[in-house]
Amino acid sequence: DAKTTQPPSMDCAEGRAANLPCNHSTISGNEYVYWYRQIHSQGPQYIIHGLKNNETNEMASLIITEDRKSSTLILPHATLRDTAVYYCIVRGYNDYKLSFGAGTTVTVRA
Amino acid sequence: DTGVSQDPRHKITKRGQNVTFRCDPISEHNRLYWYRQTLGQGPEFLTYFQNEAQLEKSRLLSDRFSAERPKGSFSTLEIQRTEQGDSAMYLCASSLGGRGDTEAFFGQGTRLTVV
Repeated sequence: DAKTTQPPSMDCAEGRAANLPCNHSTISGNEYVYWYRQIHSQGPQYIIHGLKNNETNEMASLIITEDRKSSTLILPHATLRDTAVYYCIVRGYNDYKLSFGAGTTVTVRA
Repeated sequence: DTGVSQDPRHKITKRGQNVTFRCDPISEHNRLYWYRQTLGQGPEFLTYFQNEAQLEKSRLLSDRFSAERPKGSFSTLEIQRTEQGDSAMYLCASSLGGRGDTEAFFGQGTRLTVV
């Protein structure tokens, strides 16, 4: 069962930062926040994950609030290729499966 | 290409027929997963293998579904006596395994249409 709440959709202008929110108010101490995205007709793709510190990689940044009840995925310079469904997932350290919700459909417009 | 590959990409079958899908995971990955995704929904977990052992099956996996992973390499998912409700995208994923296993790599899926 999904433990996260995300807005169903959002638009973003090409070249601008996209900020995707996620609420996970019931997260427990040993659970991580993961983000995956799914471009149309493809399988999901891992983006980033974090426990409590902010994380950054070549794709995105993850900002987790101090109380860990919410987080924001930041795509710093959105391109048309970033149009996808973005899933925020809470997963325990030793869990092996992913519980996907409905995600946020992000549309990047030129 | 060393990613997860699935075959076929598309399958159309008549109700009542049996179908089998194949998944080739990334070669050094011990864990293999099957998920099902219907239109507008996120993927739902079906089953999980650690090497050749099937360690968990979701209640979504009725007795018409069977999955195998002989020798801990490729995996097959068979659906017997298909029903229209089986129409979905079937996704396979693999990961390294071990403590702190993080990233799962997904294939492009097999889209099944039961007519």
